[in-house]
Amino acid sequence: QAVVTQEPSLTVSPGGTVTLTCGSSTGAVTNDHYSYWFQQKPGLAPRTLIYDTTARHSWTPARFSGSLLGGKAALTLSGAQPEDEAEFYCLLHYSGVRVFGGGTKLTVL
Amino acid sequence: EVQLVESGGGLVHPGGSLRLSCEASGFSVSTHRMNWVRQAPGKGLEWISNIGPSSSAKYYADSVKGRFTISRDDDKNSLYLQMSHLRAEDTAMYYCAREPWLNWGQGTLVTVSS
Repeated sequence: QAVVTQEPSLTVSPGGTVTLTCGSSTGAVTNDHYSYWFQQKPGLAPRTLIYDTTARHSWTPARFSGSLLGGKAALTLSGAQPEDEAEFYCLLHYSGVRVFGGGTKLTVL
Repeated sequence: EVQLVESGGGLVHPGGSLRLSCEASGFSVSTHRMNWVRQAPGKGLEWISNIGPSSSAKYYADSVKGRFTISRDDDKNSLYLQMSHLRAEDTAMYYCAREPWLNWGQGTLVTVSS
C-alpha cells in the first residue's frame, strides 16, 4: 500500500503563516485523492478540518485552507493562534483504500 | 445530531479475539462508507478498514488483512470489527468514522497483553 509523508514537526510564530504538506509514494497528489486534513489535540479524537482537498467544515476556522501545491496536498494556516498547536494528519484515498500520513506536530511559539 | 459510539474494547491475550461495535445515530450507516481507524499509544492514526454502502465493497490495511473482518447491521444501525489472532501491536484506541470523514466516535481502547 502507498506511503503518505508529512513533515514530522513545524513551528510557527503567533500570527504567522505555515504550510503543511502531504505527499504520496505513488506520485503526485491530485483531486482524485480527495485529500483530508485532521487536527488532533492530546486525549481527544481527531477533528476534520478540510475535506475534498479544499473544502472547510462549518467548524473549521477560516485561517485554515487546503490546496494542491507542487504535487502534494497542502494545509496552510494563516494567522496562527496559540490554540492551533496540535498534531495534524492528512489522509489520502486510493480507490477503496485510505492511508494516513505520519502526522505533523505543529508548535505555535 | 450525528453521533458514533464505539464499544467492545478491553484487555485480551495475544492470539485472542474481540469484537468492536460502533452504534450510529442521526444518520443511516447503510448509506455511507464507514471506516475503522486506530491509534497506538503515542503514535499516529492508522486506517484499518472500511465498508461501502453495498457491503460487498470491503477494504483492509495490509497490517490487519486476514485477521480482522468489518461488517454492518443496517437494522441496528451499527458497524462492527471482528478482530482475531490479536497481537501486542494491535494495542490501540479504535475509532469509527463516517465518510466523508465528517464524524468520529470517541474511541474504544483495545489492549493486547499477557
